Amino acid sequence: NAGVTQTPKFQVLKTGQSMTLQCAQDMNHNSMYWYRQDPGMGLRLIYYSASEGTTDKGEVPNGYNVSRLNKREFSLRLESAAPSQTSVYFCASSDSFKNIQYFGAGTRLSVL
Amino acid sequence: SQQGEEDPQALSIQEGENATMNCSYKTSINNLQWYRQNSGRGLVHLILIRSNEREKHSGRLRVTLDTSKKSSSLLITVSRAADTASYFCATALSSGGYNKLIFGAGTRLAVHP
Repeated sequence: NAGVTQTPKFQVLKTGQSMTLQCAQDMNHNSMYWYRQDPGMGLRLIYYSASEGTTDKGEVPNGYNVSRLNKREFSLRLESAAPSQTSVYFCASSDSFKNIQYFGAGTRLSVL
Repeated sequence: SQQGEEDPQALSIQEGENATMNCSYKTSINNLQWYRQNSGRGLVHLILIRSNEREKHSGRLRVTLDTSKKSSSLLITVSRAADTASYFCATALSSGGYNKLIFGAGTRLAVHP
C-alpha cells in the first residue's frame, strides 16, 4: 500500500529555473494539499484541492501554481524559483469527512 | 500568527519517563489532531479529538482538550527511545465546506536510553 508518493525526493535549482513537484495518492481521497516546512516552523499550506476539479490558495501561495490532474494526482509548479523557496515540500491527502491527512515523504528543494 | 502553538519547543527525557506536550490555539475548532514526524520523514497521524470530547486514549497516548482554555495536551506514557520525534498539533477549522488543518511549530522530543 503506497499511500502518498512524492517525486523527486531531492532537487537543487538555480534561481529562475522552473520545476514541477509530483504527488500521487492511491487511497481514493477527495482532498489533496501542498505544504512547505521551514526550520522551526510548522507546516504552512500552499495550495489545496478539496475535490477533483477544484483548487484554492492556502496561506503562502505566491510563486506557486498547482494542477489537480485527476483524483489521484496533484502537482505543484515553481515557475521561477527563488532562494526563499528553499524548503521541504510535503503533499498530503485526506478523506474530506474526517480530514485526517496522510503525508508523503517530502521533497527537499534547494534554490541557489 | 499560527493558530496552534506547542509548548515546550523541545523536551529531553529518559526512557520510562512520561512526556507531556501542550498546544494552545486561538479560534473555535471542529477537532484537534496530533501528528508525529520522525527526522527526514513525513507526518503521521496519531490521534484526533473532537471539540465535544475532553479526553481520548490510544495505547500509550492520552490527549486532553479544554475548549474553554483553547488548549490541548498530549501525554506519552512510559516513553521509549523510538518515541524520539517531533510532535505537532493541528487544529481543524471549517473553511469553504471542508476542514482546513492549521499546524503548530511542533515539540521536538528526545528520549534517551
